[in-house]
Amino acid sequence: RKEVEQDPGPFNVPEGATVAFNCTYSNSASQSFFWYRQDCRKEPKLLMSVYSSGNEDGRFTAQLNRASQYISLLIRDSKLSDSATYLCVVISYNTDKLIFGTGTRLQVFP
Amino acid sequence: GAVVSQHPSWVICKSGTSVKIECRSLDFQATTMFWYRQFPKQSLMLMATSNEGSKATYEQGVEKDKFLINHASLTLSTLTVTSAHPEDSSFYICSADGLAAYEQYFGPGTRLTVT
Repeated sequence: RKEVEQDPGPFNVPEGATVAFNCTYSNSASQSFFWYRQDCRKEPKLLMSVYSSGNEDGRFTAQLNRASQYISLLIRDSKLSDSATYLCVVISYNTDKLIFGTGTRLQVFP
Repeated sequence: GAVVSQHPSWVICKSGTSVKIECRSLDFQATTMFWYRQFPKQSLMLMATSNEGSKATYEQGVEKDKFLINHASLTLSTLTVTSAHPEDSSFYICSADGLAAYEQYFGPGTRLTVT
């Protein structure tokens, strides 16, 4: 089983739609969680950290459920520029290594 | 601030040759740099952790004699793919440790194609 799993998508949504991605992780010792965004043929860029209490940054909301070991990302009012691959990233308690999911591809259409 | 560059951005080489990829932290010093590889439609996989002035730590399954890493200064780490084969064709991305815990700054990546 992969340490971090995501639905690869693609999710095709119209502009203005709300879309949600989930990610599950297998290591219960994981303690830090992030969402990264990766555009085609580019490096990943940090979108937001995910806190236990949940956090919001503009149109983006991230949630963490430790009991079920999953992380979610909600994007409201989707824009064309949101089209990208969204990577779920986890760090285990005793390492500083980033473990990446395979990513969920989002395509927003006009 | 916190810019990481990679050179070259893309390279095509023949099978059996060696290719060197450079990763530089432009405006900060990085004692630790990381090398990742990403195959199409797959996740980034950590290959090795590069520490300035010491030997790199390789992940399981990564051949250290094939992927030579040198981190000779606080701003430069290099990855050399030796005796490249077509299956080494991939997107190689480096990152450098940031000031905050778990923070990493990524380079723009190097696309390697081995023919």
